[in-house]
Parts: sequence; structure tokens; C-alpha cells
Amino acid sequence: DAGVTQSPTHLIKTRGQQVTLRCSPKSGHDTVSWYQQALGQGPQFIFQYYEEEERQRGNFPDRFSGHQFPNYSSELNVNALLLGDSALYLCASSSDYNEQFFGPGTRLTVL
Amino acid sequence: AQSVAQPEDQVNVAEGNPLTVKCTYSVSGNPYLFWYVQYPNRGLQFLLKYITGDNLVKGSYGFEAEFNKSQTSFHLKKPSALVSDSALYFCAVRDSRSNDYKLSFGAGTTVTVRA
Repeated sequence: DAGVTQSPTHLIKTRGQQVTLRCSPKSGHDTVSWYQQALGQGPQFIFQYYEEEERQRGNFPDRFSGHQFPNYSSELNVNALLLGDSALYLCASSSDYNEQFFGPGTRLTVL
Repeated sequence: AQSVAQPEDQVNVAEGNPLTVKCTYSVSGNPYLFWYVQYPNRGLQFLLKYITGDNLVKGSYGFEAEFNKSQTSFHLKKPSALVSDSALYFCAVRDSRSNDYKLSFGAGTTVTVRA
């Protein structure tokens, strides 16, 4: 059983560009959450998708947007990249209100 | 608002000795509590959770944690640490209210187990 998968593994962009990160949830999971983990910090909640709708959003600007597809996979889009957006972006999937299972992350570097 | 505090940035223990990583939380409703471990350049790996019931919960790799409601704590423990337990540990909380789904994480505690 494949766990949560994310692509790409690493990404380098320049300021002002746009980026799309992808996530496939663990088999049987229908809920996807996205987190940003800056260097030396704990993950910060960006938003959660359920039934193709954004169910809850954290304290992130509108430059961060997402989408969930009918097969439960998800994308995170970030527009107008800033240097401060450099971080590890983690996707987590779940099937109930309890534990979330995390993918390996996408390391985004903004130059 | 919900939050987690991990008061120790680093914990150093000798192999074979007990390991404790501290966590306190703040949440409006009842807490759902979790411990995750992160190895370098990797995602988070689930260790254990407290939802309800017995205050002592057992998880993966010999880890356990004790929920203490009066002290709002959820400390992670392992009776005999291994060198391979060296990693970054995160405590997380979720509010049990039905319209709140996010996990809030502490800043993490780096555990080093010396041979």
C-alpha cells in the first residue's frame, strides 16, 4: 500500500513566479491537508480539502490556493512567490477526524 | 485558539537510558493529541495518539505517552532509548470540536541518543 506521495521532491523558483505542488493521498483516505514547514520550525496549517472543497484554512494569504480532484488527489498553488515562501511543503491525508499521515514533502527554494 | 509548547529544544540521553520529551497544550475544547517523528529531509511519521480513554497510550517503536488533563500535558516516553531514536519529535493538538480539523504543532524537540 503506497502511502502519501508528493511531487516534485525539490523545486527551485525565482521571486514572482508561480508554483504547483501535487499530492496523492494514502489509499482509502478522502481528506487532504497542506502544511508549510519553515527551517527549524514546526509545520503550519495552510488548508484542508474534503469532497473537493476547501473545508478549513489557516492564516495564509490568498496567494496560496488549492484544489482537490475527484480521485482525492490535491494540488497546492502559490502565486507571486516571495523569498519567505521557501520551505518544506507537507501534504497529509486522513479518513476521519483523527491521525493524519504525511508525505515526504516538497522542498521549495525561492531565489 | 490552540497551541502546543515543547519546552526543550534538545534532549540528550545515553543509549539504554529512559527518554522523555515534554509537551504541553492549550485548546478550547477537548484535545486530540499526537506525536510525530521526523528524520532528516523526510516527512513526519506518526507515532501515537490520544483521543479518549486510557491516559497512557502506547505507540510505535516502544514509545508511549501519558495524557494529563490537569497539567495539560502529553509527554512522550521510551523506557530504553536507542541510537536510532535520534530524530526531531513533534507534538501536535487538534480541537475535538467538529468544525476544527487542523493540527497545531510545537516547534519540535531534537533528540540525540549517544552510544
